[in-house]
Amino acid sequence: DVKVTQSSRYLVKRTGEKVFLECVQDMDHENMFWYRQDPGLGLRLIYFSYDVKMKEKGDIPEGYSVSREKKERFSLILESASTNQTSMYLCASSPSTGAYEQYFGPGTRLTVT
Amino acid sequence: LAKTTQPISMDSYEGQEVNITCSHNNIATNDYITWYQQFPSQGPRFIIQGYKTKVTNEVASLFIPADRKSSTLSLPRVSLSDTAVYYCLAPGKSTFGDGTTLTVKP
Repeated sequence: DVKVTQSSRYLVKRTGEKVFLECVQDMDHENMFWYRQDPGLGLRLIYFSYDVKMKEKGDIPEGYSVSREKKERFSLILESASTNQTSMYLCASSPSTGAYEQYFGPGTRLTVT
Repeated sequence: LAKTTQPISMDSYEGQEVNITCSHNNIATNDYITWYQQFPSQGPRFIIQGYKTKVTNEVASLFIPADRKSSTLSLPRVSLSDTAVYYCLAPGKSTFGDGTTLTVKP
């Protein structure tokens, strides 16, 4: 089975801190994604990556950056956390060609105080 | 980015068939359409995907018309445990819509 793991299930950070959210997948997938999910707003795409060192902006990239140095790992970085970044963050991966089924991790609930 | 549109919510009763329709704008020629199910405090889980016409698996059926501008997820004989949020996604460089909250009542 495909497994997507995220470094933390729950995280509490202070305003202004630099925050790293890590995601690792074990199926050699080319594509990886970061979403945030807020009540009533569904899943919103922050960034995605098609390959190592490649990244593209999604719908809401402001305040975030990403890093993909290895194929299996995709990191989301909050350079200076703010309270409006309190949210559930979901990572996903998918194969590059043909069907695009995305496999999701369990999510990280980030609270910025 | 391609975006999808679904009804915000639907109610049903146990044992009924539920159909959820999704509209896709700017879907790419080679994009598949996928549907996901999400329970509270969990990541979305893949249900079914298709390119055109009809696809059926052990969980659901997916109907896609020839113009591929919409798709319909069909859940046969729903149970209380099917209460969840359902998302359609036209993948590739696309993003999820707001999802449909399905509530199944006894």
